Amino acid sequence: GAVVSQHPSRVICKSGTSVKIECRSLDFQATTMFWYRQFPKQSLMLMATSNEGSKATYEQGVEKDKFLINHASLTLSTLTVTSAHPEDSSFYICSARDMTGEKLFFGSGTQLSVL
Amino acid sequence: DAKTTQPNSMESNEEEPVHLPCNHSTISGTDYIHWYRQLPSQGPEYVIHGLTSNVNNRMASLAIAEDRKSSTLILHRATLRDAAVYYCILRAMAYSGAGSYQLTFGKGTKLSVIP
Repeated sequence: GAVVSQHPSRVICKSGTSVKIECRSLDFQATTMFWYRQFPKQSLMLMATSNEGSKATYEQGVEKDKFLINHASLTLSTLTVTSAHPEDSSFYICSARDMTGEKLFFGSGTQLSVL
Repeated sequence: DAKTTQPNSMESNEEEPVHLPCNHSTISGTDYIHWYRQLPSQGPEYVIHGLTSNVNNRMASLAIAEDRKSSTLILHRATLRDAAVYYCILRAMAYSGAGSYQLTFGKGTKLSVIP
């Protein structure tokens, strides 16, 4: 089946630094990728929709200048958390939909801890 | 978006069938019913989806009520590896120029499997 690779799986950073998370579709082209955030014991919350070659669409309440999304190719989307603060600590998950399917394929997630 | 209602938690004995219910009384005629599951510290995994007819795959079966206001995910023989949070989601198609596709996750049902 289709595979979405997400890196890193875990990152610890100091407050004020920026962190980049990569999401790759390994065996299919993904015109659309989605970024979710999940706090402990809560459900996934959609942050933004990333479309290849165009600007991302952010959900209400998500700061686009803080969470920079780049989807420069059909197999790679990146999420950069800029000037991270402890409240940004969360589990970030990407997903991708191939061009023909009804399914979403998810990455394994990135646990971000901001000290 | 049409909402779904699931029990917060369920228990099953190992190697017994499990029926996970989902109510979606406000479903629209074009909404697909999706099921995903999430194991601890991992991204969600696609389980099954359907529109009107019952569906079977290697992981599970999906039984959809005739009025489509409810559905049931059936795991035929629960194993310890099936312990996860199961999400019932209605796919709401956003009619935009990009043809975007979103899944909105609820709280899901936490399934515990007892050895």
